[in-house]
This record gives sequence, structure tokens and C-alpha cells, in this order.
Amino acid sequence: QMQLVQSGPEVKKPGTSVKVSCKASGFNFRGSAVQWVRQARGQGLEWIGWIVVGSLNIKYAQKFKDRVNITRDMSTNTAYMELSSLRFEDTAVYYCAAGPMLSLYDCWGQGTLVTVSS
Amino acid sequence: QSALTQPASVSGSPGQSITISCTGTNSDIGANNFVSWYQHYPGKAPKLMMYEVTNRPSGVSDRFSGSKSGNTASLTISGLQAEDEADYYCTSYTRGNTLFGGGTKLTVL
Repeated sequence: QMQLVQSGPEVKKPGTSVKVSCKASGFNFRGSAVQWVRQARGQGLEWIGWIVVGSLNIKYAQKFKDRVNITRDMSTNTAYMELSSLRFEDTAVYYCAAGPMLSLYDCWGQGTLVTVSS
Repeated sequence: QSALTQPASVSGSPGQSITISCTGTNSDIGANNFVSWYQHYPGKAPKLMMYEVTNRPSGVSDRFSGSKSGNTASLTISGLQAEDEADYYCTSYTRGNTLFGGGTKLTVL
């Protein structure tokens, strides 16, 4: 079955970076789009960006474009999201999601809690 | 770009129908039919419930239906069940950008 498995929780200090992984199985990873979304405690879902796996076309939300980097490794069916210059307000659960189109994501990871704390 | 506007909460009794609205602009929701809806239980992964305004993914109950009029999309749940109690988010994809609504908490009374 389609599955996305994300890396484990992270605790980071302000100003550092975090890299979250998202390993796909059970579907055509090469033919998919992967987006990253986050949810801070008590808040709604917030779009970070997406990558078209096969073409390496990438788009970031304006809010994150200066400090996020989304990549993928087709040899391991894994997507990555790296967020730099971390701030306390980046504390959130980060989700990856995959789908056949940029407008449609039908497989989601379990979420990765990133805590930014001094 | 601003988030799409959803009511913070809606409620209904078992068996009733409710509708969650999602309002954008003629630059996002009004521009195409790339509107999706996700159901989200706290602590769980979101689940796709509707895509391209009216299309239900395989496995989603036909109690869920979607529509759009102008710059407002809607998700209707008929025959409410206790298991429908969750947060619901709309999204709009336009010109490479994805907008999320602020989310609506559905309470089944």
C-alpha cells in the first residue's frame, strides 16, 4: 500500500538547521509530486513548498523561500525538507504528502515534530 | 497571499447535514477547479476527502460532497456520524502556489 514514512522528532537550537526525510513506498515515487506542510500547536496547516520528483521542478511558499530547501533522492525514493535559520516559531509538526498532481495529495506521512528550543 | 477563509467551527447532530465553506478570491478558488478538502484528526496524518471540487477519492464515503460557486467552495457532509468529528481544511492550487484555509473544527453533538 502507499506509504510515506518520515524521520523522527528533532530538537534544535535557534539559528541552526533541520532536515526531515520522507521515504516513499507502494507507489510510483518518480511520477509523483511531494509537498511539505507544517502545523504549529493550536494552528492550522501551512504550505511550505513542493517538488515534482521526476522533473526536479520546485516551488516554495514566499514565506519560506529564503531558508527552505526541498530535495529528493530517486535511488532511495526519499524526499527531504531542510529548514535553516530556525526560530522558536518554527516549532511544529512537519508533514510530507505525495500525489499524482500538484493539486492533489492522497498519501501523507505520519508527521515529524521539530522543536526549536534554547 | 492570504489564507482561504473558513468558519472556525461548525456543529451538527448525528444524522444531520452540515456544510463547511471556503472563501477565496477570483485569483485562487475562482480561477480554476483545483480545490481539495482534507480531514485531519489531531495527531494523525491528514486525509484527502475531495479533489477538483467534486471528486471523491476511492474509499471516501458518498456522504461527503463538494461544490463551488464563484470564489467559494463548500464541503457538505450528510448523515453526520460521530467519526466525522475532526478538523477540515480546504486548499486551492493556482499558478504553482497552494493556499490552505484556516481550518474548521466539526463537532458532532
